[in-house]
Amino acid sequence: KNQVEQSPQSLIILEGKNCTLQCNYTVSPFSNLRWYKQDTGRGPVSLTIMTFSENTKSNGRYTATLDADTKQSSLHITASQLSDSASYICVVSGGSNDYKLSFGAGTTVTVRA
Amino acid sequence: DSGVTQTPKHLITATGQRVTLRCSPRSGDLSVYWYQQSLDQGLQFLIQYYNGEERAKGNILERFSAQQFPDLHSELNLSSLELGDSALYFCASSPGTSGRSSYNEQFFGPGTRLTVL
Repeated sequence: KNQVEQSPQSLIILEGKNCTLQCNYTVSPFSNLRWYKQDTGRGPVSLTIMTFSENTKSNGRYTATLDADTKQSSLHITASQLSDSASYICVVSGGSNDYKLSFGAGTTVTVRA
Repeated sequence: DSGVTQTPKHLITATGQRVTLRCSPRSGDLSVYWYQQSLDQGLQFLIQYYNGEERAKGNILERFSAQQFPDLHSELNLSSLELGDSALYFCASSPGTSGRSSYNEQFFGPGTRLTVL
C-alpha cells in the first residue's frame, strides 16, 4: 500500500526561527511530490512540486528537497513568520494520472511571537 | 484566491437528509476532484471527473455521488446523511489529467463545511 508519512506531527517555533519538516514515502512508481500549506478551515495551497529529477525547489522562504533514491523529502521554512502557522501536507503522485495521489497526514506548525 | 469556487460555504442539516455541494473550477480547467477532510484528519480523495466523465474513484461511499456538467462545474450529492459525514468537503481543479507535473497541479477551493446534527 502506498504510504506517505510526515514528521513531526506538530511543532511550535518562535518567530524568526527556522524549521524543517520531513516526509517519507513508499509510493511507487513515483511521478512527483508536492508540498501544500493549509490554513485552518481553508483549502490547501501549493508551495512546490518536484519530479524525481529535481533535488530542490524554493518558493520564497520555503525550500523543499527531494531524494528519490531514499524516498525522502523535506520542507525547510526560513525566518518563520506568524503567518506560517498552518498545516503542511506532503502529497505524492504515483503515476501519470493525478488521481493517484497519496496524502500525508500533515505537520501542524505553530509560530509564536 | 485559487479561482475555484465552492458553494455553499457552510451547510447544517439533519441525519437522513440529502445535500448538494457545488464547485466551479478555474477557467480552462477540465478536471475536477472532490475531497473529504474530517476533523483533524487528512484529505481523503473521493472522486475525479475529467471533461464531464468520471475518471477515478477513491474512498467514496455509495450514498455519495457526483457529476460534472457540460459547463464543467461539478456537484457532489450526499444522501442519507450520518453524523460521521460532518466534514470539510474540498473541490480542486487542474488543467488536465495526465502529463507533466505542472500540467496537473491541483488548485483547491475554499471548501464547504458540512455539519450533520
